[in-house]
Amino acid sequence: DIQMTQSPSSLSASVGARVTITCRASQSIITYLNWYQLKPGKAPKLLIYAASTLQSGVPSRFSGSGSGTDFTLTISSLQPEDFATYYCQESYSVPPTFGQGTKVQIK
Amino acid sequence: QVQLKESGPGLVKPSETLSLTCTVSSGSISSDSSSSTYYWGWIRQPPGEGLEWIGSIYYNGSTYYTPSLKSRVTMSVDTSKNQFSLNLSSVTASDTAVYYCARHVVEHQQLIFWFDPWGQGTLVTVSS
Repeated sequence: DIQMTQSPSSLSASVGARVTITCRASQSIITYLNWYQLKPGKAPKLLIYAASTLQSGVPSRFSGSGSGTDFTLTISSLQPEDFATYYCQESYSVPPTFGQGTKVQIK
Repeated sequence: QVQLKESGPGLVKPSETLSLTCTVSSGSISSDSSSSTYYWGWIRQPPGEGLEWIGSIYYNGSTYYTPSLKSRVTMSVDTSKNQFSLNLSSVTASDTAVYYCARHVVEHQQLIFWFDPWGQGTLVTVSS
């Protein structure tokens, strides 16, 4: 299975801050990389697929980049509703695997 | 807007079978789009841990399971009820998790896939 490693595991940031989360794959996954947002008690939300394509309805402050083994999720200006845990997921292979998550907390 | 909702017991005894159903609304479980094929999947998250894909099923009954759970997992689909189900046998405490159902979208052009939308999840605790 492909191993996905996210960093950091958690971060604290203020509203309005720029936040970057990194996801590294154990082998090249080209751009077969998706990002999700999870909040307790709510349905997880797809943010970005194919490394950089914004899912319909997702605010433009979210962006994704990268290819091969290194990927980033950037929130350009953190909003109160963005405090959540973010997961990357590779879709290069079956079984698909997820990163361990990055919890974004209020500073 | 397709919506998914999980249902089933919140408490299962060790060695028994965990059974969950996902009901799909505002869309047909049997319909693909012109650009994507839709499977229907289960994903779980043990307390304090990350996400694990369990498996996915197509409306015709074709299934794909993660190897580590394959011997204990059975998925089925009922197109008349617009539902799909998960059975996980011989459960132990390590199967305690929030179980999510999700649409598993396979995009034709690049053959990339993702999970969207998801249900809000249901906590299943394995305990005597």
